[in-house]
Amino acid sequence: EVQLLESGGGLVQPGGSLRLSCVGSGSTFSTYAMSWVRQAPGKGMQWVSHISGSGGSTDYADSAKGRFTISRDNSKNTLYLQMNSLRADDTAVYHCAKLALRGSWYNNWFDLWGQGTLVSVSS
Amino acid sequence: DIVLTQSPATLSLSPGGSATLSCRASQTVSSYLAWYQQKPGQAPRLLVYGASSRATGIPDRFSGSGSGTDFTFTISRVEPEDIAVYHCQQYATPPYTFGQGTKLEI
Repeated sequence: EVQLLESGGGLVQPGGSLRLSCVGSGSTFSTYAMSWVRQAPGKGMQWVSHISGSGGSTDYADSAKGRFTISRDNSKNTLYLQMNSLRADDTAVYHCAKLALRGSWYNNWFDLWGQGTLVSVSS
Repeated sequence: DIVLTQSPATLSLSPGGSATLSCRASQTVSSYLAWYQQKPGQAPRLLVYGASSRATGIPDRFSGSGSGTDFTFTISRVEPEDIAVYHCQQYATPPYTFGQGTKLEI
């Protein structure tokens, strides 16, 4: 069964950095676009970023632009999210998610999610 | 951004009952709507995509309907294992957005 497993979360001070990782099982990892979605305590889920299967195209929510960088290493079946200049409102569980259809993320839904990793930003 | 409003926030039912969840979009999303189930401490699970297509392995007790701005998700013959938060999500127009979730209690 294909699974996604995130790691890298933790407690960080405002202004600090963290790098999240998401390892996927299965041989078709590079075929699909991937995303990060976060859920702040007591709030709904919020899309953060997409990356294409090749890694050549990316997109970010306004809240992440200029601070977060999504990337992937298909040789390691691993997705990353580099988060810099972290703020208190970045506190959330961060999930990686796989897009269902091969190709672009447009008009595409998430068919597989990881359990998430908790990021807490506090002094 | 498209705002998705889910109702009710919490739904309490007895086993065997029927649950009806609503998701309303602030502008049309055609049929580009998905529903996910999230149990405490677990990864979200895809239930329905395209507003009404069940994902692989999802029992037919779970069904979705609607198009445009008004969507319904129904769970018939509710079971204790259905305790979870149910999220709707639109993928018609970037940025993709989610509803606040409906918590199902049994």
